[in-house]
Order: sequence, then structure tokens, then C-alpha cells
Amino acid sequence: GENVEQHPSTLSVQEGDSAVIKCTYSDSASNYFPWYKQELGKRPQLIIDIRSNVGEKKDQRIAVTLNKTAKHFSLHITETQPEDSAVYFCAATTPGGGNKLTFGTGTQLKVEL
Amino acid sequence: DSGVTQTPKHLITATGQRVTLRCSPRSGDLSVYWYQQSLDQGLQFLIQYYNGEERAKGNILERFSAQQFPDLHSELNLSSLELGDSALYFCASSVQTSGGGGEQFFGPGTRLTVL
Repeated sequence: GENVEQHPSTLSVQEGDSAVIKCTYSDSASNYFPWYKQELGKRPQLIIDIRSNVGEKKDQRIAVTLNKTAKHFSLHITETQPEDSAVYFCAATTPGGGNKLTFGTGTQLKVEL
Repeated sequence: DSGVTQTPKHLITATGQRVTLRCSPRSGDLSVYWYQQSLDQGLQFLIQYYNGEERAKGNILERFSAQQFPDLHSELNLSSLELGDSALYFCASSVQTSGGGGEQFFGPGTRLTVL
């Protein structure tokens, strides 16, 4: 089955700096890659997603890039703010047999003042 | 608020017991997913239902079972509970059922503590 690896596990940046989180997936058939943000004790919330027919997508300060050849996708957050502090999960979906999400292990992002 | 509701919010029980977690999807969503989140295992997919039928299964233990009812709400049954079953259990719902992707909306979760 699909396996998603995520790095780094923790990331500390200064307010205003950029943050980059990277994920790799194993199944070349995977075609949908969402990113979820989870604050402590709360539910995961989708912040951005990308499909396999797109190489890059941007939404204000957040962007995601996808390299299908390398089976690699990344989350980029610019001009980080303290409210960006949370755990971020990447995930992948493989067609066929449902729509289940295979998650990465998460990145604890801390934005320091 | 995602529109997905889960009850109860917290559940404390003893080893060997059985519990039922309940989920109501967003209005119009036919797919329901269950995920387990523990400290050492991260977010793990358990099972998916679409319009009452099981659609996909993850590494769900045989002690766990689920179903989706005609009104589309779903229940996750956990039996013969062990200490290691302590976790946050999330339900999510979506419109899509196939592997075309699409946002899954997560409920607030049920925190299960097995003592």
C-alpha cells in the first residue's frame, strides 16, 4: 500500500520567515495530495491540496509543489505568523478502493516571536 | 465547525469493555471515514463507508467494527478494549467515494481512554 514520509518532524522559525515541509510518497498512482493543519486538541483542517495533473498551487501565503517524477511534494508557508504554529500533516490518496488518506507522520511547526 | 459531529467527546473505560463511537456526516456527504490518532502511530485510516456499504478498509483490528446506517450516520464499535486502544478517534466525511480525491471534513474527535 501507499506509504508517505514527512520531514522534518519539528520545525522552528522566526516570525516572518518561510517554512518548508517535505513529503515523499511510494505509490506512483497516487493522484491527490492534501495538507492538513491540526492545532492542539483540535480536528485536522484542510489548508491546501493539489492534484497530480498540477505542479504547483498557491493560496495567499501557502503554496504546494508536486514533483510526480520524484514522488515528492512540499508545503511552503511564507511570512509565517504565530498563529501558523501547529502540526501539519501531508497525505496522499490512491485511486481505486475508496478515497482513504494515507498521512505522513506530521511536522510540529513553531513560529517564534 | 466542519459540519461533522461526533459523540461522545470523551470516553473513559476499562480494559475488556466495549464502546460505541458515533458520527454524523455533513449534510449531503455519503462517504464516512474513521481514523485513529495515537501518539506513536499518527493518523491511521481505519475504514470507509459509502452510502451504507463498506468501501475501503485499513489496518482495522478484528475487535473493531463499523457500520453506516440509512440516515448516513456511522458508528464505530470497539470491543475487548486494551490499553493501546487509547487514542483520538476522528470521523470524516466527503462527497467523493472513489479515488479521485477531494476534501475530507473532520469531526471534533472522540478521545478514548482505556484504564
